Amino acid sequence: QVQLVESGGGLVKPGGSLRLSCAASGFSFSDYYMTWIRRAPGKGLEWVSYTISSGSSTYYADSVMGRFTISRDNAKHSLYLQMNSLGAEDTAMYYCARMTTTGNGYYYMDVWGKGTTVTVSS
Amino acid sequence: DIVMTQTPLSLSVTPGQPASISCRSSQSLLHSHGKTYLYWYLQRPGQPPQLLIYEVSNRFSGVSDRFSGSGSETDFTLNINRVEAEDVGVYYCMQSIHLPLTFGQGTRLEIK
Repeated sequence: QVQLVESGGGLVKPGGSLRLSCAASGFSFSDYYMTWIRRAPGKGLEWVSYTISSGSSTYYADSVMGRFTISRDNAKHSLYLQMNSLGAEDTAMYYCARMTTTGNGYYYMDVWGKGTTVTVSS
Repeated sequence: DIVMTQTPLSLSVTPGQPASISCRSSQSLLHSHGKTYLYWYLQRPGQPPQLLIYEVSNRFSGVSDRFSGSGSETDFTLNINRVEAEDVGVYYCMQSIHLPLTFGQGTRLEIK
């Protein structure tokens, strides 16, 4: 079945780095846009970044621009999020999600992973 | 950025009764080609979000027909007919017509 499994979360000190991974299975990964969404404790959902199917174009929320890098390896059916210069505001559950469209180039998330927790604290 | 505003922020409903959540966007989500890019998600406790409704009123595969969406341009509603215990969680609306993708603050539904 269609599945997304995140890994790589953990406790990191302010200013540190972390790389999240998302392993996809059960669908043709290279055909889909993919995205990272996060939910901070006590807060709502926040879109972080997405990449198109080839990985040649990427987009970021202003809050992470210049610090986070999204990438993918279609041969390995994997999505990544390199997070640098982490601050307390980045503490959250990070979800990997598949994006789909009904046409016309506008996308939404239809399949989500269970998430991986990132805690930034000294 | 498009601001999504949900009301109410919390809801307590007796099983079997209906529930309604409103979502208002700061800009129209209607594209010139006629589609409206408004979605509803439910995040149950301890679970990832799941898609309920896409493009205002289309139920996603496997979603109960107790859920329905309506609205246009900037004003949208999610209706739950006959609330059940499994409906507990936080409901979010989301827009995808403009980057960044933005969500409402979430509406927490609990059972009385």
